[in-house]
Amino acid sequence: TQLLEQSPQFLSIQEGENLTVYCNSSSVFSSLQWYRQEPGEGPVLLVTVVTGGEVKKLKRLTFQFGDARKDSSLHITAAQPGDTGLYLCAGAQDWGGADGLTFGKGTHLIIQP
Amino acid sequence: DVKVTQSSRYLVKRTGEKVFLECVQDMDHENMFWYRQDPGLGLRLIYFSYDVKMKEKGDIPEGYSVSREKKERFSLILESASTNQTSMYLCASSLRDGLGEQYFGPGTRLTVT
Repeated sequence: TQLLEQSPQFLSIQEGENLTVYCNSSSVFSSLQWYRQEPGEGPVLLVTVVTGGEVKKLKRLTFQFGDARKDSSLHITAAQPGDTGLYLCAGAQDWGGADGLTFGKGTHLIIQP
Repeated sequence: DVKVTQSSRYLVKRTGEKVFLECVQDMDHENMFWYRQDPGLGLRLIYFSYDVKMKEKGDIPEGYSVSREKKERFSLILESASTNQTSMYLCASSLRDGLGEQYFGPGTRLTVT
């Protein structure tokens, strides 16, 4: 089983601060996804990155895929209480995803007003 | 919008009961997955299916079985529920020729007493 290590596991910061969450592996992924999950709900897909070095922005969220396609980061600028949730990264090692995804254990993020 | 629905949001069953969890997706996805999610353990893959009547074991298939009689429907069966199967169960689907992106249902919180 391939592993995706996420850090930090927990993060509690004040509204308006910036933060970065990391997702690391020794394996190469064909694509990597980031999800956000709110309590009692299923994960919701935020973004997919495919190309090494790729950067994608979603409003205040910036996602980067490592050059070697083994790691990724999520940076949030000026965090808002609505950003609170569990952030999961997941990697696919085959095109088509028939073998499923490898999930990290997640980063629990709390943004305090 | 992709929609994945699960038959129940909350379920309470007694030890030894047979439990059926149903999942339906409306996007004509070939791949479907069942996960359980527990604190500190993250998402763990129970079973997946890449076609009608096809099934593959995931990382923790013991105590579970699945059925996929129609493309849009994937059922998880607990033959004889046990207390250690108390968990959040999540269903997901994805395209065969996609990037591995999975779309999740809202989850079923199962409690076995």
